[in-house]
Amino acid sequence: LAKTTQPISMDSYEGQEVNITCSHNNIATNDYITWYQQFPSQGPRFIIQGYKTKVTNEVASLFIPADRKSSTLSLPRVSLSDTAVYYCLVGDGGSQGNLIFGKGTKLSVKP
Amino acid sequence: EPEVTQTPSHQVTQMGQEVILRCVPISNHLYFYWYRQILGQKVEFLVSFYNNEISEKSEIFDDQFSVERPDGSNFTLKIRSTKLEDSAMYFCASSYTQANYGYTFGSGTRLTVV
Repeated sequence: LAKTTQPISMDSYEGQEVNITCSHNNIATNDYITWYQQFPSQGPRFIIQGYKTKVTNEVASLFIPADRKSSTLSLPRVSLSDTAVYYCLVGDGGSQGNLIFGKGTKLSVKP
Repeated sequence: EPEVTQTPSHQVTQMGQEVILRCVPISNHLYFYWYRQILGQKVEFLVSFYNNEISEKSEIFDDQFSVERPDGSNFTLKIRSTKLEDSAMYFCASSYTQANYGYTFGSGTRLTVV
C-alpha cells in the first residue's frame, strides 16, 4: 500500500471549512483514496472514497488532482462534533482487508 | 443504517485468562476483520476472514489468537492466555467485498488485562 503523509493536527472554529491534505507520491494506478473518521473510543468510520477529480457526498468532498499524488478532504462548515482523527488510506483492496492506518490528522474544532 | 455490533463494550480479565470478544457483522457482508488499537497508538490489522477461513493475518495474530464464525451470524475473537500487552480496544469490521475500502467498524471492546 502506498505510504501517506498528512498533518498530525489541525485546529478550526465552528462554521469554517476545513481542508486536510494527504500526500501519496507513490500511489499506484489501481489505488483508490479513502478517508476514515474516528471519534475517541469508537471504531473508524468510512467517510469518502475516490479515484480522481472530485467526489462529494453528504458529509464531505474529496479533491484529487490529475497526478493523484495528493488528495484533499474538505469538510464544509464544521461543528464541534467534527472533532476527531481523520485518516487517509491508499490502496486497491487487493490485500484482502489489511488496511494500514497511519497516525491520522487530529482535528480540533473550537467554539 | 446497518451496524456492526460488538459485545461486551468493556472487559476486564486477569492475566493468563481466556477471553472471547463477540461481533455481529452486517448481515449481507461477506468479509470480516478484527483490528486493535492500543491506547494512543495506531489502529492495527489483526486478521481477515472469508468463506469460513482466515484469508490474511498480521504478525500480531499469533497462536494465542483465534477467530470463529460459529453460527453464521456471530464472529468471535478468542485470546487464549491474555497478557498485559493485550490491553487495547478491539474493533470488528465487515465489508461486502474485499475491493471496497468502505468497511463498517463496530464501536469496539475495551479489553483491560490486569
